Amino acid sequence: GNSVTQMEGPVTLSEEAFLTINCTYTATGYPSLFWYVQYPGEGLQLLLKATKADDKGSNKGFEATYRKETTSFHLEKGSVQVSDSAVYFCALSGGTSYDKVIFGPGTSLSVIP
Amino acid sequence: DVKVTQSSRYLVKRTGEKVFLECVQDMDHENMFWYRQDPGLGLRLIYFSYDVKMKEKGDIPEGYSVSREKKERFSLILESASTNQTSMYLCASSFRTSGSNEQFFGPGTRLTVL
Repeated sequence: GNSVTQMEGPVTLSEEAFLTINCTYTATGYPSLFWYVQYPGEGLQLLLKATKADDKGSNKGFEATYRKETTSFHLEKGSVQVSDSAVYFCALSGGTSYDKVIFGPGTSLSVIP
Repeated sequence: DVKVTQSSRYLVKRTGEKVFLECVQDMDHENMFWYRQDPGLGLRLIYFSYDVKMKEKGDIPEGYSVSREKKERFSLILESASTNQTSMYLCASSFRTSGSNEQFFGPGTRLTVL
């Protein structure tokens, strides 16, 4: 079945550091890929998405590229801020199950001044 | 803006009580979902619904039931709450057109069962 693996956290970075959170997936068919973010005390919200191979999703300085050859969708940001402290979830939808979204376990990010 | 609201942010119940968690969305979405979120386990799908009066089991439906009498409302029911159901419950909704559609989440209900 479909699955998502992402790097274990927690991740602690200093402000302005470079961020990478790794995500790999297993899916049949042609899934769409997502990154969701959950700020403290809130529900999840979509950060970015990509719907086909080689697409790059971007939002708020974050980027991720859909790499079918490596089945990956790594999240990157060039310079993190304290306000980026949150839990980040990689997810996929489609392939053989169009309406369900499969979430990774989440990676907690703390950015310190 | 899409809004998904949940009836309570925090709820404390006793073992054996019947618990209702309500979720309402205002974007005419066909799909609605209930997840529970636990540390180290991420989000796990309990039930989902792709139309009024339709429901499908997710990955962990045991001990839960759902009701969808109106398109905008999706209720999660714990028939007899147990301590292992202490968790954060998240409701979400989306359009039913393709797998590329975003899910919109409510703020969550943190349920404690004593």
